[in-house]
Amino acid sequence: GQQVMQIPQYQHVQEGEDFTTYCNSSTTLSNIQWYKQRPGGHPVFLIQLVKSGEVKKQKRLTFQFGEAKKNSSLHITATQTTDVGTYFCAASAGGTSYGKLTFGQGTILTVHP
Amino acid sequence: NAGVMQNPRHLVRRRGQEARLRCSPMKGHSHVYWYRQLPEEGLKFMVYLQKENIIDESGMPKERFSAEFPKEGPSILRIQQVVRGDSAAYFCASSPDSMGETQYFGPGTRLLVL
Repeated sequence: GQQVMQIPQYQHVQEGEDFTTYCNSSTTLSNIQWYKQRPGGHPVFLIQLVKSGEVKKQKRLTFQFGEAKKNSSLHITATQTTDVGTYFCAASAGGTSYGKLTFGQGTILTVHP
Repeated sequence: NAGVMQNPRHLVRRRGQEARLRCSPMKGHSHVYWYRQLPEEGLKFMVYLQKENIIDESGMPKERFSAEFPKEGPSILRIQQVVRGDSAAYFCASSPDSMGETQYFGPGTRLLVL
C-alpha cells in the first residue's frame, strides 16, 4: 500500500529558530495535506497542495510540493511556543477511495522559550 | 456550524467487553472516516463510509471490528471483545465529498482497556 515517510521524528528548537519537516513518498501523490496536532488534541487541517512545484504560505509557515509530486515540506520561520505540537503530512489514496488519507509518522516539535 | 462530534471522549473497558464509539459528522458532510492513533504514532486509516455504505475498510482488522453509518444517526465504530492492544485514540473525520476535500477531525475517543 501507499507509504509516506516523514522526518525528523523529533525536533527541539529554541524560540526564534526555524523548523522544517519533510515528507517523502516512493509513488506520485495526487495531493498532500498537512495537519497539526497539539498535545492531547486532534489533527487540525493546515493546507492542501495539489500542483507540481506548488508553494503556499500562511504567515510564518511555508508549504512546498515537489516537482515530481513525491515529496513535500513544511517550514516554520522564527518558531514561537504556540507552534508546539506534532505536524503530520497526509497523502490521498486516489481513485475510488480518494478521501482515504495515509499519514506520515509525524514530527514532534518542541519549542524552548 | 458545529464541528465533528465524537462520544464518549474517554472510554474505559475491561478485556472482553465491547466498545462503541460514536461520530456525528459536520452538517452537510456525508463522508466519514475512522482513524486509530497509538501513543506517539501517526494516524492509521481504518474505514471510510458514506451513508449506509462502506466504501473502503482496508485498514480495519478483520475480526472484532465493525463500522456503520446508518441513514439516520451517527456513525458507529464497534469493537467486540476488546484486548489491551485496542487501547488507542480513535478519531473520526468527515468531509462533504471524497474528491480531495479537507477532512475535519473530531476530538477523538480515548479508549483504555484494562
